[in-house]
Amino acid sequence: NAGVMQNPRHLVRRRGQEARLRCSPMKGHSHVYWYRQLPEEGLKFMVYLQKENIIDESGMPKERFSAEFPKEGPSILRIQQVVRGDSAAYFCASSPGTGAGNTIYFGEGSWLTVV
Amino acid sequence: AQSVTQLGSHVSVSEGALVLLRCNYSSSVPPYLFWYVQYPNQGLQLLLKYTSAATLVKGINGFEAEFKKSETSFHLTKPSAHMSDAAEYFCAVTPNQAGTALIFGKGTTLSVSS
Repeated sequence: NAGVMQNPRHLVRRRGQEARLRCSPMKGHSHVYWYRQLPEEGLKFMVYLQKENIIDESGMPKERFSAEFPKEGPSILRIQQVVRGDSAAYFCASSPGTGAGNTIYFGEGSWLTVV
Repeated sequence: AQSVTQLGSHVSVSEGALVLLRCNYSSSVPPYLFWYVQYPNQGLQLLLKYTSAATLVKGINGFEAEFKKSETSFHLTKPSAHMSDAAEYFCAVTPNQAGTALIFGKGTTLSVSS
């Protein structure tokens, strides 16, 4: 959905560098989700945030990964000291956040390649 | 805990043939169910969703899915496949609870031949 904006679309990093992925939710959406898609696998939930709060980070790796959704500006997924296994497509999604079963809209993804 | 199983990682059909993509779910609470489609190098687009209003759900591009509680299934169908339907399809579930993340199946790649 073009309403959820992710950048960069493609990012190449050397092992040990940092990767920062940005996500601007759809207008009016205050809930942001990050998912990771590894080759031959479905999407795996990583973290769920509302403005200035992490609501659920049960899918985040314990080390090197962090996420934020500040009061102003986009949500950022940060991966420190990247390794080859971090190569994946990272999708951001957003929702209005009110009401069960509310539709979650996805961005077009950020493809991270670690060389 | 909730989970989704998509039977068949690859499905091939001829143009004009019936499309059937299978999805079974496991949920201890009433689920909300979704089908998403992903075209190569693109994000996910919502095809349809079940939120308990009606068991037969119609979506975009001629797709529909039927929620069968007794079979814990939510299979996706389309009467007549088109070449443009070739993509990867994901079934997803979330509990009947606001703001909860989706749990996805591993996906089914649909190929359509002429």
